[in-house]
Amino acid sequence: SQQGEEDPQALSIQEGENATMNCSYKTSINNLQWYRQNSGRGLVHLILIRSNEREKHSGRLRVTLDTSKKSSSLLITASRAADTASYFCATPRGSNYKLTFGKGTLLTVNP
Amino acid sequence: GAGVSQSPSNKVTEKGKDVELRCDPISGHTALYWYRQSLGQGLEFLIYFQGNSAPDKSGLPSDRFSAERTGGSVSTLTIQRTQQEDSAVYLCASSLSSLATDTQYFGPGTRLTVL
Repeated sequence: SQQGEEDPQALSIQEGENATMNCSYKTSINNLQWYRQNSGRGLVHLILIRSNEREKHSGRLRVTLDTSKKSSSLLITASRAADTASYFCATPRGSNYKLTFGKGTLLTVNP
Repeated sequence: GAGVSQSPSNKVTEKGKDVELRCDPISGHTALYWYRQSLGQGLEFLIYFQGNSAPDKSGLPSDRFSAERTGGSVSTLTIQRTQQEDSAVYLCASSLSSLATDTQYFGPGTRLTVL
């Protein structure tokens, strides 16, 4: 069963614009992670935010977490064509190692 | 250093045949995971290995699926009597340990097509 649900399913923007993707989840979490996947193959870990954190930055990435609303957002600033990929949020089940992934947001950055 | 590698990158097989998919984790990583990604189902956890502990097989969809990890390193996922619904990308990941906060590093995947 899906724990995280990303929104929107697809997003198309112009290079230089910001992209915001949202993730909602159902049960309590230890942390929430965001991954990127290019061309339907291997996933690349982007950032992890713990349940006691509200915001985290990594380069052009900004992640927020609202545990009261059971939601997270991923903001990519000053997007580039190379950011075109699918983005997934993932949560471990409880304190467990098993990651449950959402179905992802397909981001297209047009040059 | 080298990342997680998987072979083959693509596999086409006929329904009813057995297939073996291989995963080489990052050296020194004690935890190894298999996931499956298929259209309509997203990414699903299949099985997990941690050191010498018994594997967590709770995600395997049927008894046609099995996996082993030899010497705490390389892992093989075997699918017997493949069915068309087994068509998917099979992803392997490894992490330093099994803490929920440990980053899982993914391989490029094996795309399995069952005709």
